[in-house]
Amino acid sequence: GENVGLHLPTLSVQEGDNSIINCAYSNSASDYFIWYKQESGKGPQFIIDIRSNMDKRQGQRVTVLLNKTVKHLSLQIAATQPGDSAVYFCAETYELSGGGADGLTFGKGTHLIIQP
Amino acid sequence: NAGVTQTPKFRILKIGQSMTLQCAQDMNHNYMYWYRQDPGMGLKLIYYSVGAGITDKGEVPNGYNVSRSTTEDFPLRLELAAPSQTSVYFCASSLTVKPYEQYFGPGTRLTVT
Repeated sequence: GENVGLHLPTLSVQEGDNSIINCAYSNSASDYFIWYKQESGKGPQFIIDIRSNMDKRQGQRVTVLLNKTVKHLSLQIAATQPGDSAVYFCAETYELSGGGADGLTFGKGTHLIIQP
Repeated sequence: NAGVTQTPKFRILKIGQSMTLQCAQDMNHNYMYWYRQDPGMGLKLIYYSVGAGITDKGEVPNGYNVSRSTTEDFPLRLELAAPSQTSVYFCASSLTVKPYEQYFGPGTRLTVT
């Protein structure tokens, strides 16, 4: 998991503000980049993914940006809500040696704290 | 659907003991995965399976074994537990070959002392 990293271990934002969580990756051959959300005591939950041939993808209140030139990935969360409090992980795909599926390399995570 | 279920939620093992972590999914997913998550870190893949009867090693397989006799179940076996295996273990499943939309279970917190 050391190939995919996040710039900040903790990010604190005011409720209602926009949040931007950043991630640097190293594997230029990754097909997909993914963001997961992990609430305390739970397993990770898929948020959004982006294919390597795209620059931007939007979901509901979330946008992922991919800059392949500098190997940078970001997750933007609009109008942050208390329920957005969680640890956010970026992940990139890699080819598993056994074939048939791809593995995921996870970063260390950014803890998003929402201030009331 | 219950999704992905894991048992037990917590377990304390002594060094050298063995145990099996259970994982089951009711979504008819072919692909299943076992990860471990150490404190403050991302997840690392231990083993995965692309279908019943087929398993393969991930990034950190040493000290673990798996089997996949049915589509639904994917147990993880720890033989001769060591303190380095203290971690939170997550099972996941996915419908398609691309792994990004994996569905995770709630995890098993294992302590080896």
